Amino acid sequence: SQKIEQNSEALNIQEGKTATLTCNYTNYSPAYLQWYRQDPGRGPVFLLLIRENEKEKRKERLKVTFDTTLKQSLFHITASQPADSATYLCALASSASKIIFGSGTRLSIRP
Amino acid sequence: GAVVSQHPSRVICKSGTSVKIECRSLDFQATTMFWYRQFPKKSLMLMATSNEGSKATYEQGVEKDKFLINHASLTLSTLTVTSAHPEDSSFYICSASGARATNEKLFFGSGTQLSVL
Repeated sequence: SQKIEQNSEALNIQEGKTATLTCNYTNYSPAYLQWYRQDPGRGPVFLLLIRENEKEKRKERLKVTFDTTLKQSLFHITASQPADSATYLCALASSASKIIFGSGTRLSIRP
Repeated sequence: GAVVSQHPSRVICKSGTSVKIECRSLDFQATTMFWYRQFPKKSLMLMATSNEGSKATYEQGVEKDKFLINHASLTLSTLTVTSAHPEDSSFYICSASGARATNEKLFFGSGTQLSVL
């Protein structure tokens, strides 16, 4: 069956370090993969999209990689700050008309 | 960027009543909107895809008579939880794919926390 897994339910790291979040999927052949940020009691906010033919995408302190052989995406936040604390969701386009989300990783950056 | 407004943000109701949640695209036309449900510390579960001018497409296991979706205009979709019961208590979120009508970037409403007593 199709699955999207974000391995860590929660991740706690020191301010200034790089946070790395993992998203694995099985039985999908997504055209692209997205990462969203969600704060408590709010809707998700789009961060980055990476296509199946792209290895890496960057945006300011964010970096996303996409390995279609491993069926895995890594999401990095460099020079992490307490304001980066949130839940991060990966999402796949399972078909032309809908997006399926992973369970999310709660990231906490301690000062 | 595109703005999606969702209202109300919080509602408390008695068991057996119906609750309507509105999702509006403020600065673009949305031919397709999505409705999700989210339990605490869990991910978003797609409930249905709302298509302007036609019937919504429901995901497996979602009762269409329980969760009525209406997408009567290009800027408004509504979700009505009929005869709500405590197990319907959840966080409901809508999203739209923006003016380009591609799902490569979804814009979400701020969510509605429904509590059924």
